[in-house]
Amino acid sequence: KAGVTQTPRYLIKTRGQQVTLSCSPISGHRSVSWYQQTPGQGLQFLFEYFSETQRNKGNFPGRFSGRQFSNSRSEMNVSTLELGDSALYLCASSERTSGTNEQFFGPGTRLTVL
Amino acid sequence: AQKITQTQPGMFVQEKEAVTLDCTYDTSDPSYGLFWYKQPSSGEMIFLIYQGSYDQQNATEGRYSLNFQKARKSANLVISASQLGDSAMYFCAMREANNAGNMLTFGGGTRLMVKP
Repeated sequence: KAGVTQTPRYLIKTRGQQVTLSCSPISGHRSVSWYQQTPGQGLQFLFEYFSETQRNKGNFPGRFSGRQFSNSRSEMNVSTLELGDSALYLCASSERTSGTNEQFFGPGTRLTVL
Repeated sequence: AQKITQTQPGMFVQEKEAVTLDCTYDTSDPSYGLFWYKQPSSGEMIFLIYQGSYDQQNATEGRYSLNFQKARKSANLVISASQLGDSAMYFCAMREANNAGNMLTFGGGTRLMVKP
């Protein structure tokens, strides 16, 4: 099976712009979670989608949003970019939302905001 | 309070030796799971090992084992026979059952460097 893919891998934007990141989970996985990783704050949970429904949301401003499509692919959007949004954005997929199921992470999208 | 604490920002280990990476956690949920992930410089998070709060035995996966001490709320990762390819960041993470879904809370990580 192909792993989790994320596009684009690298992105450079300027303050005030918006950006959309994409994540394609492993075939058959219905749960997609998003994380932000920065040197200062570490790894922080953004949100999770399961069967097109947001199940959980982290403590991020409303500028961060996401959605999931019927084929389980997910997108996250950040509007009005700020310098502090520069980070590695990781998505993870899994089959279920409970139990011992591991989450498989993608390679990440590295966003730089200038 | 921090939910996951990794007190070793960086560690060196000699190739072929064993190393223990520390992780302590804080939760009032009786049902939870603890994960260890490896993150090489490429950025991808690689799952290593899982321990459930109700598991009676310590988890093992090849060269990785988890020293789970529930009363002390610690879940240390032991890597036996270190290899140069083990050089990476290592993250301990927890999923609590009272949080719907797959939300993971991560520790700050430990950078492991394996010396030849």
